[in-house]
Amino acid sequence: DTGVSQNPRHKITKRGQNVTFRCDPISEHNRLYWYRQTLGQGPEFLTYFQNEAQLEKSRLLSDRFSAERPKGSFSTLEIQRTEQGDSAMYLCASSLVFAEQYFGPGTRLTVT
Amino acid sequence: GESVGLHLPTLSVQEGDNSIINCAYSNSASDYFIWYKQESGKGPQFIIDIRSNMDKRQGQRVTVLLNKTVKHLSLQIAATQPGDSAVYFCAEKLGDTGNQFYFGTGTSLTVIP
Repeated sequence: DTGVSQNPRHKITKRGQNVTFRCDPISEHNRLYWYRQTLGQGPEFLTYFQNEAQLEKSRLLSDRFSAERPKGSFSTLEIQRTEQGDSAMYLCASSLVFAEQYFGPGTRLTVT
Repeated sequence: GESVGLHLPTLSVQEGDNSIINCAYSNSASDYFIWYKQESGKGPQFIIDIRSNMDKRQGQRVTVLLNKTVKHLSLQIAATQPGDSAVYFCAEKLGDTGNQFYFGTGTSLTVIP
């Protein structure tokens, strides 16, 4: 499978714990995006990387969220001190040009 | 924040009929629009895009129309098939916000065999 992959697919955690998600983009794609999606809503932009550089972050992104793409390939999204409001689907997408983003299947986070 | 909204949250059509999904956007500075299809348990899938200097673009069985005067976008699906059943989102990019795309809330399309 040469599409975008995300791990884990599901994560259940207790409030206050830290979680980390991984995204492996399509190999030749230099652009990588993280989104959050809640039930019945469209994806909400979180952050964007071009190669290893994090070029954009949503102003709505809490400082408990951090993302990295250390070698310009895979990326990780960490949420510290999780809250129940963080429960959502976290989507990763990659692209070669700024349009036509290819999305992964997402990681569903449930905070209890 | 930016407002990208859809007129109808749900749409049911008979197999073989044409479907029209509408989207309203509020920011006249938006310069690029994408339609996505999302099936249950999957990430959004790119369908078709259109730039603000165009008013129509056609793909395979799909057509996107852009009316900048009323800030309205539509997706037309010809000869709708059961496999078209999904949630459809429009997304806009503001001309001055780099690579940030803003998604609407989605329309759920159900195709009746």
